[in-house]
Formats: sequence, structure tokens, C-alpha cells
Amino acid sequence: GENVEQHPSTLSVQEGDSAVIKCTYSDSASNYFPWYKQELGKGPQLIIDIRSNVGEKKDQRIAVTLNKTAKHFSLHITETQPEDSAVYFCAASRPRPGGYNKLIFGAGTRLAVHP
Amino acid sequence: DAGVIQSPRHEVTEMGQEVTLRCKPISGHDYLFWYRQTMMRGLELLIYFNNNVPIDDSGMPEDRFSAKMPNASFSTLKIQPSEPRDSAVYFCASSPSRGEHEQYFGPGTRLTVT
Repeated sequence: GENVEQHPSTLSVQEGDSAVIKCTYSDSASNYFPWYKQELGKGPQLIIDIRSNVGEKKDQRIAVTLNKTAKHFSLHITETQPEDSAVYFCAASRPRPGGYNKLIFGAGTRLAVHP
Repeated sequence: DAGVIQSPRHEVTEMGQEVTLRCKPISGHDYLFWYRQTMMRGLELLIYFNNNVPIDDSGMPEDRFSAKMPNASFSTLKIQPSEPRDSAVYFCASSPSRGEHEQYFGPGTRLTVT
């Protein structure tokens, strides 16, 4: 079945350092990989996504890389700031009729950025 | 846009009572999703609608759960009767049918069943 594994479950870094979160997926037909940030008491917020026809995507301090052969993708946050502290979820989706994305989520990574 | 709106934000009820959670999707979005989040099981898709029609309810845990979408701007998730194991945060999300189909989540309803 479809499965997404995410590591690490917790990550603690010093402000200014980089943080990397990795995910692997089982369904080789997956072609859409979003990342969500969830702050305490709030819903998940889409921060970046990538499709399988692209190997890397950047948006300011965050970037996502995709290795289709190995079936894994990673989130990179550079120059971390305390406000980056949150739970991050990766997800994967395969093409569905009508084009919608049935997201399979990883278990989440709790990131703590210490001043 | 105000984003996805959910109500109530918090609900505390006793076992056996009926609970109704409400969602207003982002205007113009054709897809609506209901998720449940728990520490043990993470984020689980319960059901999704396309153009107000339920398409896949395979994630609904049991017959005590039901969902409706009477129009494009409103959906409900009902639990009757509620049980303590239903305690979780329930999220509604919506997605456009064009473009990248990104899903946008609401703030969630934290349900506690005692």
C-alpha cells in the first residue's frame, strides 16, 4: 500500500543552522510532494511543493529536493529562525481521476530552533 | 480570502452525544476534504467531496461518522453517538480543480469526548 516515512521525528538546531528533514515513499507512481508546516493550535500550512518532473525547488530559505530513483525527498531550511519552530509534514500523492491529490502524510517532524 | 473556516474551534461533549463539525471551504474550490489528526495515527483522510458529491469515504472509521455537503460553501461532519476514542483534531481542507491542486487546511476543531 501507499506509505510515507519521515525522519527524524524530532530535530533541534541552533538559530542560524540548517535543518534537513527526509521522507521516503513507497508508491512509485507518486508525482506530487508537498510539505506542510503546522504551528501549535493551527492547521497545516502548505509551505512548498514539488512535482516529479523537477529535481529541486527553492523558495527563499526553504528548498525541496526529489530523488525519484530512490523514492525519497527532503526539505532543507537554511538560516533557521525561532519562528521556524513547528511540526513539519511531508506528503506524497499519485495521479487520480479528476486530478485531485489524495495526500499520504508522513508522521511529522517536530523542529525546535533555539536562539 | 478568509481561508477555510471551521466551527467550533473546540468541542467538549459526553460519550453518546451527537457532535456536528462545520466547514466553509475557500470560495471557488471544487474539492473538500475531512481529516482527523491524532498522536497515534497522524493525519488521516476521512472523506472527500468533489462538486458537493462524496467521492471516497473509505477513511470514515465506522457508521457513527457521516458527512454532508449540501452546497459548495458548506460541509458538516457528524458523529453520532460519540465515543471517547473519537477525541482528536478534525481538519477540513479545500482544493481547486485547476492548477496544482494544492490543499489548504482550516484551523481545525479539537474534539474531546468524555
